[in-house]
Amino acid sequence: EAAVTQSPRNKVTVTGGNVTLSCRQTNSHNYMYWYRQDTGHGLRLIHYSYGAGNLQIGDVPDGYKATRTTQEDFFLLLELASPSQTSLYFCASSEGARSERLFFGHGTKLSVL
Amino acid sequence: GDSVTQTEGLVTLTEGLPVMLNCTYQTIYSNPFLFWYVQHLNESPRLLLKSFTDNKRTEHQGFHATLHKSSSSFHLQKSSAQLSDSALYYCARPGGAGNKLTFGIGTRVLVRP
Repeated sequence: EAAVTQSPRNKVTVTGGNVTLSCRQTNSHNYMYWYRQDTGHGLRLIHYSYGAGNLQIGDVPDGYKATRTTQEDFFLLLELASPSQTSLYFCASSEGARSERLFFGHGTKLSVL
Repeated sequence: GDSVTQTEGLVTLTEGLPVMLNCTYQTIYSNPFLFWYVQHLNESPRLLLKSFTDNKRTEHQGFHATLHKSSSSFHLQKSSAQLSDSALYYCARPGGAGNKLTFGIGTRVLVRP
């Protein structure tokens, strides 16, 4: 079974704070994704990447940066966190073809006070 | 553009009764891929079903769905709901260029004894 590990599991910060969410996959997958999950909105794609050094913009990218440092590691950065970014964040990976399944991490619950 | 529309809100039903969750889509592509993901409480989403063949029924864990290009639908069905089917269900499809997966807003299912 594919393994995607996120850290931290929970994070609390204040408005204007700087937050980095980490994700590591050990499946040699090409694609990695960051989603946020909110009631009434479902899962929305923030950023994704198809390899080290690559970054693609998702559907809700405002206020977020991301960086893919290696094939295994994908980071989501909130440089000036706002309360609207309070959410459950999921990282996922896939091999890459359009028909491939996504493997999700356990999620990071972020609260911005 | 590409989008997914699914049964909104909460679906409550009694154990043993059938369940159907609606999913329709819009796409510019002639050969769409459609997915159903399931997310149980305090877990991450995982793939339940996928299809890319018109009018072919796909089944897994008692659930089934058939992709109908004529009606742009991929409804999820089960003949007899179990308590363990209580979960959040997402319909999803690849959207636009690249390999990003677009999810619907999710349908929460609650199965009561």
